[in-house]
Amino acid sequence: QKEVEQDPGPLSVPEGAIVSLNCTYSNSAFQYFMWYRQYSRKGPELLMYTYSSGNKEDGRFTAQVDKSSKYISLFIRDSQPSDSATYLCAIQGSGSARQLTFGSGTQLTVLP
Amino acid sequence: SAVISQKPSRDICQRGTSLTIQCQVDSQVTMMFWYRQQPGQSLTLIATANQGSEATYESGFVIDKFPISRPNLTFSTLTVSNMSPEDSSIYLCSVLTNRDREGLYRPDTQYFGPGTRLTVL
Repeated sequence: QKEVEQDPGPLSVPEGAIVSLNCTYSNSAFQYFMWYRQYSRKGPELLMYTYSSGNKEDGRFTAQVDKSSKYISLFIRDSQPSDSATYLCAIQGSGSARQLTFGSGTQLTVLP
Repeated sequence: SAVISQKPSRDICQRGTSLTIQCQVDSQVTMMFWYRQQPGQSLTLIATANQGSEATYESGFVIDKFPISRPNLTFSTLTVSNMSPEDSSIYLCSVLTNRDREGLYRPDTQYFGPGTRLTVL
């Protein structure tokens, strides 16, 4: 079993739709949860960061963490064609184990 | 957040040669990492670049193939040695910093450089 499992996609939605992206993880020692967005031929860009259960909102983006279920989600409201990218969830430990473990990524296309 | 630059941005190399990729950060950071992203795949950690000492490699990656240097807190190099077509990939430098975009302190977060796209013929 992979440490981080991510819905593979690809996902195609019409402009204005609500998008839900999801990951599960297996190691309860993970403490920090991120979402990165990666446009084609670019490096990953940090989109959202959280370290507690619950919701964190930033504009049209909401990151949700459920540590009891080991489940994280990213919601995009009023999706735009510019949101078309690959979204990667990433989990981070603490202390000396602070390297990231990435999900496989979900490719999202928002159609105008 | 830290501004990270990588050189070269892309290269096409012949089998059996070596390429050194440079990573420069505009501020001192806690940790630096090197990742590989093969076509259509997610990111795989190659190693943690340690300042002043040997890098810490992940399973499946060895120093002879991917020697890494980090002479100071803002610069690191990754060399891909004796290349084969299987090494064709995007190589990404990443840094761990405790500052966000507004310069405020926050728990350590990783940011990525733009990547180096390597094609081996």
